[in-house]
Amino acid sequence: DTGVSQDPRHKITKRGQNVTFRCDPISEHNRLYWYRQTLGQGPEFLTYFQNEAQLEKSRLLSDRFSAERPKGSFSTLEIQRTEQGDSAMYLCASSYLQGPNEKLFFGSGTQLSVL
Amino acid sequence: QQQVKQSPQSLIVQKGGISIINCAYENTAFDYFPWYQQFPGKGPALLIAIRPDVSEKKEGRFTISFNKSAKQFSLHIMDSQPGDSATYFCAASMSTGSEKLVFGKGTKLTVNP
Repeated sequence: DTGVSQDPRHKITKRGQNVTFRCDPISEHNRLYWYRQTLGQGPEFLTYFQNEAQLEKSRLLSDRFSAERPKGSFSTLEIQRTEQGDSAMYLCASSYLQGPNEKLFFGSGTQLSVL
Repeated sequence: QQQVKQSPQSLIVQKGGISIINCAYENTAFDYFPWYQQFPGKGPALLIAIRPDVSEKKEGRFTISFNKSAKQFSLHIMDSQPGDSATYFCAASMSTGSEKLVFGKGTKLTVNP
């Protein structure tokens, strides 16, 4: 499988618990993005990495959120002390920068439900 | 602040008809305008994209029309098929910096057989 892989596909947790999601990008892609999508809305940018460096974070990304991309390969997104408002689909996308206007390839997402 | 406004929110078309989805943007620094197609339970998939140096781009049954002066662009799906039933998102980005995509709110397209 050469697509973007996300794990788990679904996560149900209780408010206040910590959760961690994993994203495996397309192997030769050097950029990796995290987006969040709520019902009836388009994806919203959270953060992105170029190789292992986290270069930009959205104001949507509170201190409870942290993302890493060790060794510039897979990435993890952790949410600490989850709140009901964190319930959403968390999408990962990857791309290979080879000029202007890169093409983003999205994974199928992790659906988070906070009870 | 919504930088990309998309309409309509939902659209019902008969098989063989033309589906038209419109988007308007505010930031004149945007220079890349893709359309994504999303099926339930899946991530968005790139359908077609355009840069502002052309006014139209066609790929198969899908056409983007772009009006730079009006800051508007639209997706036309010709000969719509039931398999086209999905949610469509327009987006925009700048070629400087992170190139992060700003998405519209989406249009749920239903093509009746």
